[in-house]
Parts: sequence; C-alpha cells; structure tokens
Amino acid sequence: GQQVMQIPQYQHVQEGEDFTTYCNSSTTLSNIQWYKQRPGGHPVFLIQLVKSGEVKKQKRLTFQFGEAKKNSSLHITATQTTDVGTYFCAGPVDTGGFKTIFGAGTRLFVKA
Amino acid sequence: DSGVTQTPKHLITATGQRVTLRCSPRSGDLSVYWYQQSLDQGLQFLIQYYNGEERAKGNILERFSAQQFPDLHSELNLSSLELGDSALYFCASSRAGSTDTQYFGPGTRLTVL
Repeated sequence: GQQVMQIPQYQHVQEGEDFTTYCNSSTTLSNIQWYKQRPGGHPVFLIQLVKSGEVKKQKRLTFQFGEAKKNSSLHITATQTTDVGTYFCAGPVDTGGFKTIFGAGTRLFVKA
Repeated sequence: DSGVTQTPKHLITATGQRVTLRCSPRSGDLSVYWYQQSLDQGLQFLIQYYNGEERAKGNILERFSAQQFPDLHSELNLSSLELGDSALYFCASSRAGSTDTQYFGPGTRLTVL
C-alpha cells in the first residue's frame, strides 16, 4: 500500500556534527509535515511544506520538499544535545479518503 | 502545551479487561485522531473522526472502537485486552481535514498485565 518511508531508523552523532533524515513517498503528496518527539514526550509539530522545491529554515534546521513532491529532508546543522529525539515526517495519502501517514521516524542520539 | 488533553495519563489493567481512553481536542478543532505507539516504535494511525463522524480508518483492531461526541471530545474503547495492547495511545486534533497540522496530546500509557 501507499507508504511514507523514512531513513535512517537511528542516527548517532557527536555534538556539533550535522544530521539529516530523509522521507520518501510512493505517491505525490500535497504537503509534508515534520514532527519531533522528545524521549518520553509526545510528537510536536515543527513545520509544513506545501510547494514543490520548497525550502524552509528554523534556526539550525533546514527542511526541503522535493521537486516531485515525493520526498523531503530535514537537516540539522551542528547538532546539540537538545536535538535528541525522534523526528517524524508525515504526509496525507489518498486511500479513498485522505489520511495522514507518518513515517517510522528517525531517532537521533547526540553524544556530548 | 498543545491544548489537547488526554485522560488518564497512566492505566494498568489485566488481560481480558476493557478500558476507555478520553481525549479533548483543542478549542475549535473538529478532527480527532487516535494513534498507537508501541515501545520505541512509530505512530500507528488507528482512526479519525471529524465533527462527530468517522472520517478515516487505519489499522484498528475489531476489539477497539471509538466515537466523537457532540462536544467534540472523543473516547477510544479497548476491549478483551491482550499483553500486546500495551502501548502509548496518543490523541491528536486538527482544525478540519486530514491535511491539517495535528496537535498531539500527552498520551495515555496503557500497561496490560
């Protein structure tokens, strides 16, 4: 079935290193959303991308939406220990009615 | 604080039992979603309600059911509980449809012994 796939599943980095997680859909998405879940917490909305090729920045975080609107990435520059958590992408998938499908998430570990 | 409230925060029960989880959406939000998250796993979409009506269904077991009431709060009923049902259950709400930003509640941690 239609899925939203996310890689890698885990990423260990040294504090100060960069980090990127990738999200791919088998179908074109009308938008892509990114969420962050801290350990023991609940998912928190970060950003939504709508336009083909869109790039948005939030401080050290850069979000991109692919030209074909089938893939997206989240890049963190110079990670900090506060960046730890799981990053999920999510996109609306048409299954006879739209529903938002979440990727499996990328869990980021940052070593001080 | 997302504005979405869930009760209870923790629930411990035995196999075969039935429990009800409750969710109050953000003020003004019409859609409510339920998700299951097992230990260190992703978010499994269970079901969505919009303004009192079922809008979309995911991998929800037949032992599970949900409803959204006229005041827009929602309840998720889990029956004939099994050990494997132990998980975090999140409720989320959005303004309207499935493509809107979802705001998650703090979750209910269910432990089935």
